[in-house]
Amino acid sequence: GAVVSQHPSWVICKSGTSVKIECRSLDFQATTMFWYRQFPKQSLMLMATSNEGSKATYEQGVEKDKFLINHASLTLSTLTVTSAHPEDSSFYICSARDQAGSGNTIYFGEGSWLTVV
Amino acid sequence: AQTVTQSQPEMSVQEAETVTLSCTYDTSESDYYLFWYKQPPSRQMILVIRQEAYKQQNATENRFSVNFQKAAKSFSLKISDSQLGDAAMYFCAYRRRNSGYALNFGKGTSLLVTP
Repeated sequence: GAVVSQHPSWVICKSGTSVKIECRSLDFQATTMFWYRQFPKQSLMLMATSNEGSKATYEQGVEKDKFLINHASLTLSTLTVTSAHPEDSSFYICSARDQAGSGNTIYFGEGSWLTVV
Repeated sequence: AQTVTQSQPEMSVQEAETVTLSCTYDTSESDYYLFWYKQPPSRQMILVIRQEAYKQQNATENRFSVNFQKAAKSFSLKISDSQLGDAAMYFCAYRRRNSGYALNFGKGTSLLVTP
């Protein structure tokens, strides 16, 4: 079946540095991907909708200059956390929409743990 | 804005028994989708079941079934013959039919399955 892969699975970075997380659809094309953030023991909160070939749509309260999203191809979206701080430490999950057929199914990646020290 | 409420932070069920997880939502839309996702310790989100609002028949997937009450805006998940592998966080989610396919999640219910 369709698979969405995230990389890296976990990353530790120093405060003030930037870190990039990749989300790939492995066997389908995804014009739309979504980035969520999940704090420990909490729900998934939508950060932004990533649209291939255009700017991402950010949810209210999400800083677009801090969380840079690029969706340059039909199989890859990247989330870059710029000037990371400890409060950015979280679990980041992407999902991708498979428009093939009539299902318009959403597939989730495995998630990426970010720890900022 | 649509909100999804799961009023049970934690639930416990004995193996082979049945448990029901509650979910209510608030929307002004008439056409939408509702989902239950399972998130085990691995954190991988797994779709358990999906319901289309325009369908009156409750969705069923093997041991998992829903009780969809559209007027009451209620969407509960029933797990029958519970298994140890069912232990996980369960999230109720909402999506408008003609939207960008982003999901709006509830806060989740942690399900413990005891032998």
